[in-house]
Amino acid sequence: DQQVKQNSPSLSVQEGRISILNCDYTNSMFDYFLWYKKYPAEGPTFLISISSIKDKNEDGRFTVFLNKSAKHLSLHIVPSQPGDSAVYFCAASEGGSQGNLIFGKGTKLSVKP
Amino acid sequence: DTGVSQNPRHKITKRGQNVTFRCDPISEHNRLYWYRQTLGQGPEFLTYFQNEAQLEKSRLLSDRFSAERPKGSFSTLEIQRTEQGDSAMYLCASSLTFVQGNGYTFGSGTRLTVV
Repeated sequence: DQQVKQNSPSLSVQEGRISILNCDYTNSMFDYFLWYKKYPAEGPTFLISISSIKDKNEDGRFTVFLNKSAKHLSLHIVPSQPGDSAVYFCAASEGGSQGNLIFGKGTKLSVKP
Repeated sequence: DTGVSQNPRHKITKRGQNVTFRCDPISEHNRLYWYRQTLGQGPEFLTYFQNEAQLEKSRLLSDRFSAERPKGSFSTLEIQRTEQGDSAMYLCASSLTFVQGNGYTFGSGTRLTVV
C-alpha cells in the first residue's frame, strides 16, 4: 500500500506559467516532506523540504505548500522554465526515522517554450 | 569533490550470477544510503550506514543482498544468485549528518539488467 502518492504521471505547462505538482500521503506520522528532481541518467537532486509544523516553505521559484488536515502537499514552480523539465518525486520521512525516505512514483513535468 | 560516484553505471548479468556495485560518497559524509528504483516507481529504501555501521535494513533486502562499508568510506552492495526481478537502478546517497528535512546527495546510479 503506497504511503506517498503522486497521482499525475505527467504534467505539461507553457514556459513562464505556473507548474503545480501534487502529492498525497496516508501516514500521519510523517513529519518531513521533501521534493526531488530527476533528469534522465542522473540521480535525484534535492529541491526543497517542509516540516509538518509549517504550511509553506519558499526557495526562489519553488514553493511547497502543506495541508496537513488533507494530507496533501504541492510544489509550485513560478515561472516555469524549459530547464525544469524533469521527473519530480515527493518523499516523506517518519518521526523517529533515521533518514530513510518514502518516495512517490513521480510526476514527469514538461515545460514547453 | 565531484559528488557521489557509483560504479559501474551499467551491468548486464545472467540470472544466477553474483554482482557487486560500488559507491564512493562525498568524502566528509558519514551517512550512506542504498535505494533501488524500478521502472515507473520511486526510489525504495534498502539500507543505510552511519560510518561503518549498518544501522537499518529494509525488508526488501533479502538474504541474497549484502552491503558493506569498510572503514566508513566507500560501500559495496552485492547481490548473489541474481534473479530477473533484481533488474533495477541501484542508487547510493550520502549526507554529512542526519538532519531531518535535509535532503541527501544521490549518485547517478548503477543500472542492473538480469537476463
